[in-house]
Amino acid sequence: GAGVSQSPSNKVTEKGKDVELRCDPISGHTALYWYRQSLGQGLEFLIYFQGNSAPDKSGLPSDRFSAERTGGSVSTLTIQRTQQEDSAVYLCASSFYRETYEQYFGPGTRLTVT
Amino acid sequence: DAKTTQPPSMDCAEGRAANLPCNHSTISGNEYVYWYRQIHSQGPQYIIHGLKNNETNEMASLIITEDRKSSTLILPHATLRDTAVYYCIVSAPQGGSEKLVFGKGMKLTVNP
Repeated sequence: GAGVSQSPSNKVTEKGKDVELRCDPISGHTALYWYRQSLGQGLEFLIYFQGNSAPDKSGLPSDRFSAERTGGSVSTLTIQRTQQEDSAVYLCASSFYRETYEQYFGPGTRLTVT
Repeated sequence: DAKTTQPPSMDCAEGRAANLPCNHSTISGNEYVYWYRQIHSQGPQYIIHGLKNNETNEMASLIITEDRKSSTLILPHATLRDTAVYYCIVSAPQGGSEKLVFGKGMKLTVNP
């Protein structure tokens, strides 16, 4: 079946603009995660959704970052007033609740803030 | 912060076994050891995980020391497509949340 998909694959934006990044998880997966990876660095956890529970937002770096998950499926990560340090690859992953160890990652969105 | 230590890089000859070490001396009793890998320009890919016992699947084997302070991922017959950054992660389920903390990983280069 289809894997995790993300769009756009690349996004270039000007400093100060808002951006929205989309994630379509694998059908039936109840858990959804957002990570980001800066150049040459490991992955940094941002936010986690599990079913109808309140999301775990502990990794969001500032209040300019927010995420929603509608209908328990598609998720959107929004970055307001983008800064150059927001430039990174933003990765989405999903998993079955009972098998959260195996997270399936999408290809990522490469965000460049100029 | 990542709770694991890996060498920054390793080379392996194609067709040979690749043994990737990982130290996790502060691992807690309820924490699992996970291995993921990231091939260039792709999202990470789950490989294997374990708690205490050694584990094997179609991709690799995971050997965990008895004191659980270190582990080794074994790729039995490395191919060029195994060239990637390999991440060793320790994590415990927290109410169903698996916030994986990825360190910088180890770059494995498989040479022809």
